[in-house]
Amino acid sequence: EVQLVQSGAEVKKPGESLKISCKGSGYSFTSYWIGWVRQMPGKGLEWMGLIYPGDSDTRYSPSFQGQVTISVDKSISTAFLQWSSLKASDTAMYYCATLKGSGSAGWFDPWGQGTLVTVSS
Amino acid sequence: QSALTQPPSVSGSPGQSVTISCTGASSDVGTYNRVSWYQQPPGTAPKLMIYDVSNRPSGVPDRFSGSKSGNTASLTISGLQAEDEADYYCSSYTSSSTSVVFGGGTKLTVL
Repeated sequence: EVQLVQSGAEVKKPGESLKISCKGSGYSFTSYWIGWVRQMPGKGLEWMGLIYPGDSDTRYSPSFQGQVTISVDKSISTAFLQWSSLKASDTAMYYCATLKGSGSAGWFDPWGQGTLVTVSS
Repeated sequence: QSALTQPPSVSGSPGQSVTISCTGASSDVGTYNRVSWYQQPPGTAPKLMIYDVSNRPSGVPDRFSGSKSGNTASLTISGLQAEDEADYYCSSYTSSSTSVVFGGGTKLTVL
């Protein structure tokens, strides 16, 4: 079964760092881009960025460039999303998803189950 | 503000049909057929319903169909069922630096 399994919910304080993960299985992990998507409470989906596990080529949405870092460890089929200094406004559900299609143009399927990040003092 | 424009809400009675629109620009929907649609019931992860404008993944009922005309893509759900109540999002490839754009989402209510 093709699936992405994300790390568990996190509760952090403003200014703290965080790295969440997304592990792929059931397919050739290095052959498809992986995307990260933010969903703030009660809001819509926002694309954050993409990474190609084969060569770690990374693309960021201008809205998230410099705010987060996307990385990958292909030896363990896992992509990561990290923050160096969290803000309360980072409170959201974060999803990873595999991008199918050709290159970085395609559709997201499957999706991970989501990681809820709560940032509060 | 989302790059793709969707109506905030639509509604229909069981058995009826509804259509959700997704309006973009020549840099995305108008030029590329990489339009996809996602269903998100409350408290769950999004699920792919349509890809490449009008293709259904295995397991998605044929009540769901997609189309495109100019800069606007559409998702039509026929024979509405209570289980179709969810938020629906469109997405497109874009030639701008973002690569991917989502619509703002449409809440479907089955009356």
